Amino acid sequence: NAGVMQNPRHLVRRRGQEARLRCSPMKGHSHVYWYRQLPEEGLKFMVYLQKENIIDESGMPKERFSAEFPKEGPSILRIQQVVRGDSAAYFCASSLGQRNSPLHFGNGTRLTVT
Amino acid sequence: DQQVKQNSPSLSVQEGRISILNCDYTNSMFDYFLWYKKYPAEGPTFLISISSIKDKNEDGRFTVFLNKSAKHLSLHIVPSQPGDSAVYFCAASENGQNFVFGPGTRLSVLP
Repeated sequence: NAGVMQNPRHLVRRRGQEARLRCSPMKGHSHVYWYRQLPEEGLKFMVYLQKENIIDESGMPKERFSAEFPKEGPSILRIQQVVRGDSAAYFCASSLGQRNSPLHFGNGTRLTVT
Repeated sequence: DQQVKQNSPSLSVQEGRISILNCDYTNSMFDYFLWYKKYPAEGPTFLISISSIKDKNEDGRFTVFLNKSAKHLSLHIVPSQPGDSAVYFCAASENGQNFVFGPGTRLSVLP
């Protein structure tokens, strides 16, 4: 399967714990995006990364959230000291980063904070 | 302020008829537009796209129309099938980056 792979599919954390969400882009893609979908809402942009670079993090909350896309390995979205309001579906997408090149999404990680 | 709007939260259509989903945008710098389909518990699936140099793009039962002067695009599905029932997201991009999504329209195709 050469598609975008996200794991875990489901993640349960207690308030105050850390959540780590992983994303392996589609083969050949070097651009990764993270989106969040709250219940009954649309997809909200969080961050856009290329290998070892954060290109746009204007959608990331200022505290507790961070993202990386190292030279080797998957992209990681990290949420420290989770709160109930962080419960959502987190989608990763990848692209070639070229003009007129679509995003391809993974199946998401559903985070539940208890 | 939403840059990409889908003003109809839901739409019901009879099987075999045409489904028309609408999308409006405000940023005149957007030059690439996409439609995605999403089933519950799955990621959005890319359906069809159009660049700003065109006003129509067709792929099988799906056609996207772009009206740049009105900053409006629409997705036509003909004929609609029950399997098309899903949430449809419109998205727009500038220079292949900064993809902004609309809030989605839930399409129900009734048998």
